[in-house]
Amino acid sequence: GAVVSQHPSWVICKSGTSVKIECRSLDFQATTMFWYRQFPKQSLMLMATSNEGSKATYEQGVEKDKFLINHASLTLSTLTVTSAHPEDSSFYICSASAGGMGEQYFGPGTRLTVT
Amino acid sequence: SQQGEEDPQALSIQEGENATMNCSYKTSINNLQWYRQNSGRGLVHLILIRSNEREKHSGRLRVTLDTSKKSSSLLITASRAADTASYFCADDMRFGAGTRLTVKP
Repeated sequence: GAVVSQHPSWVICKSGTSVKIECRSLDFQATTMFWYRQFPKQSLMLMATSNEGSKATYEQGVEKDKFLINHASLTLSTLTVTSAHPEDSSFYICSASAGGMGEQYFGPGTRLTVT
Repeated sequence: SQQGEEDPQALSIQEGENATMNCSYKTSINNLQWYRQNSGRGLVHLILIRSNEREKHSGRLRVTLDTSKKSSSLLITASRAADTASYFCADDMRFGAGTRLTVKP
């Protein structure tokens, strides 16, 4: 099956700093990538949808200036958490789709801890 | 926002028993997918069922879809301790709350 990687798998940063998370589709071209956030013992919450070459579409309540998403190529999307605060600590998961009604392939997730 | 609700929220059974998890959704769907997630790990795709399908099997897994009731169910037969995980349904990109399944050896 298709493989999606995320880097880093975990990161600890200090409050006020920015953190970039990469999501890569390794063996297919991802026209659409999705970013999710998951708090402990909760479900995945969709943050934004990004299509290659265009601006991301953010879900209601997600601050686009705080969570910067870039989908510059068909194999790479990045999520930058700017001016991170402890409440941003969460498990961030990306997924990628080849488009249409195709299946989503999920990355292994990135655990962010903001101290 | 969440697409739907899953029922039950938590399920504890003995190894060898069957586990049934239900999922309801609110809007019309193209397809519905079931995923498994071990604690603190990424998602594993289990089954995709399309809106024109009513039932699908994969090994010990059986998924049904009732579009008139906007509901789906996941049945795991002959459960094993290794099946312990959280199970989620998702419509394209929106996830249900999940069922936390514990299979006791």
